[in-house]
Amino acid sequence: GAVVSQHPSWVICKSGTSVKIECRSLDFQATTMFWYRQFPKQSLMLMATSNEGSKATYEQGVEKDKFLINHASLTLSTLTVTSAHPEDSSFYICSARDRLAGASYNEQFFGPGTRLTVL
Amino acid sequence: AQKITQTQPGMFVQEKEAVTLDCTYDTSDPSYGLFWYKQPSSGEMIFLIYQGSYDQQNATEGRYSLNFQKARKSANLVISASQLGDSAMYFCAMRVGLTGGGNKLTFGTGTQLKVEL
Repeated sequence: GAVVSQHPSWVICKSGTSVKIECRSLDFQATTMFWYRQFPKQSLMLMATSNEGSKATYEQGVEKDKFLINHASLTLSTLTVTSAHPEDSSFYICSARDRLAGASYNEQFFGPGTRLTVL
Repeated sequence: AQKITQTQPGMFVQEKEAVTLDCTYDTSDPSYGLFWYKQPSSGEMIFLIYQGSYDQQNATEGRYSLNFQKARKSANLVISASQLGDSAMYFCAMRVGLTGGGNKLTFGTGTQLKVEL
């Protein structure tokens, strides 16, 4: 089946530093990847939609200058949390849609998530 | 705007029994898809089952079935013969539209299922 990886699986950083999280589709090509954020005991909230070769589309209330997204290839999207602060501590999950998936069934394949802790 | 509602924050079920997790949705778009995902404590999102708005029959995948009642806008997940490994958080999600930018998923708040001996 389709596999999506994320790296790192967890990261601890100091306040004010930047952290990059990678999302890779391992056995399929993904023109579209999605970045979610999940606080403990809460639901997944979509942060942005990442499109290969173009700018990401951010959801309302998400600071695009703080959460930089780059989707440089059909198998890789990166999320960089710039100048991280303790309130950015969260579980970040990416998902990817297979480029060849039919229009009527567009299951997203999720990565295992990255737990970010900002001290 | 679309919305997913899961009214059961937590559920308990005895091993080998069946359990129903509730999900209602709201959208004005006639084309949509409904998903159920399982999230164990490890955090990964595991796809369970999908139901399209135009599908005539309720979806089934092994021990999972989706009770799709379009008029009531409900898409309840039924897990039969519960196992200890089913203990996890379960999310209902909806995707509005069939193509292009309609691929975004909106998630409910989740139901924490605990399977007991």
